[in-house]
Amino acid sequence: GESVGLHLPTLSVQEGDNSIINCAYSNSASDYFIWYKQESGKGPQFIIDIRSNMDKRQGQRVTVLLNKTVKHLSLQIAATQPGDSAVYFCAERNYGQNFVFGPGTRLSVLP
Amino acid sequence: ETGVTQSPTHLIKTRGQQVTLRCSSQSGHNTVSWYQQALGQGPQFIFQYYREEENGRGNFPPRFSGLQFPNYSSELNVNALELDDSALYLCASSLPVGRDTQYFGPGTRLTVL
Repeated sequence: GESVGLHLPTLSVQEGDNSIINCAYSNSASDYFIWYKQESGKGPQFIIDIRSNMDKRQGQRVTVLLNKTVKHLSLQIAATQPGDSAVYFCAERNYGQNFVFGPGTRLSVLP
Repeated sequence: ETGVTQSPTHLIKTRGQQVTLRCSSQSGHNTVSWYQQALGQGPQFIFQYYREEENGRGNFPPRFSGLQFPNYSSELNVNALELDDSALYLCASSLPVGRDTQYFGPGTRLTVL
């Protein structure tokens, strides 16, 4: 399949450890945020979302934290597995406008 | 699997040609957005269609155009192809504003020679 993100920032973690992927967003008026996972040869896959009236949201093995003061978003993955290896994108939306994607982070899970 | 399908999977064109890419949205989703993803970058918004009308456009020239059909499927047309148009083209479907998580299809890889 095609490669996604040949020169992206890379985070390498040991299998079983927790991963934290960070994202700085640009628009203080953004009201909705999504984390996507993109594997090689596939489209972005929805992981978790959060609205601007929240600062934390948990899913299965994933947690998203939103700090509006410094315009920072993070994705925490618990007990990282080999299947978590992919490129992760944060996306922000200013209400009624389109989504703006960050540059992405490649997560590499080491055995 | 999101239920969003795109065709074709891969496409090779030459500079100056025209191309049409197709997208079928997830069942019940009446909003379709198109994105261009260059190698090594995040997706960039091209435009969005809602109820067969364009509902927002990114910073792309007019040679990028689209359609949405009554069944909510959509087409992206690109005229006068340039080498820099080589990219993965992604379609995302969603419900209208308020329940608007976007779900992506697998993309169409366009190569312009």
